[in-house]
Amino acid sequence: GENVEQHPSTLSVQEGDSAVIKCTYSDSASNYFPWYKQELGKGPQLIIDIRSNVGEKKDQRIAVTLNKTAKHFSLHITETQPEDSAVYFCAATEGGSSNTGKLIFGQGTTLQVKP
Amino acid sequence: KAGVTQTPRYLIKTRGQQVTLSCSPISGHRSVSWYQQTPGQGLQFLFEYFSETQRNKGNFPGRFSGRQFSNSRSEMNVSTLELGDSALYLCASSLGGARETQYFGPGTRLLVL
Repeated sequence: GENVEQHPSTLSVQEGDSAVIKCTYSDSASNYFPWYKQELGKGPQLIIDIRSNVGEKKDQRIAVTLNKTAKHFSLHITETQPEDSAVYFCAATEGGSSNTGKLIFGQGTTLQVKP
Repeated sequence: KAGVTQTPRYLIKTRGQQVTLSCSPISGHRSVSWYQQTPGQGLQFLFEYFSETQRNKGNFPGRFSGRQFSNSRSEMNVSTLELGDSALYLCASSLGGARETQYFGPGTRLLVL
């Protein structure tokens, strides 16, 4: 089955700097890769996603890149702000012919943005 | 549009008891997935329901079960609770396709004593 590895587990940056979180996946048939942000006491919130027919997607300060050949995808946050501090999860759907929404999550990255 | 709601938000049970958690998806969403979140194992997929049918199941024992009603609301049940079942249980809803965005609820925090 699908396996998703996420690095780093913790990341501390100064306000205004950029943050990059990387994930690798094992199933070459995976075709959907969402990123979630989870704040304390809340459920994960989708911040951006990418589908396998696109190599890069950007939404204001957030961007995601996908390299299907290497089976990795990355989250880039520019001009970080203290409110970006949270736990970030990458995920991938199981590929193949199964038409389900099962998500396999990475282990999470705790991002701390220092003012 | 209202988001995904889960009830109750917090629950304390003792070993051997059973528990039922409820999830109401976003209006129009037909798929509901359940996940268990723990500090040690992270977010793990339990099962997914679509149009009242279980479409996929994760690697959890048979003590974990679920169902979905005709209005897409879903419940999950855990019987014979164990200490290790203490976790945040999250449900997520989507329109139903394999690459559809999933929206998570706030979760139910279960503590087993």
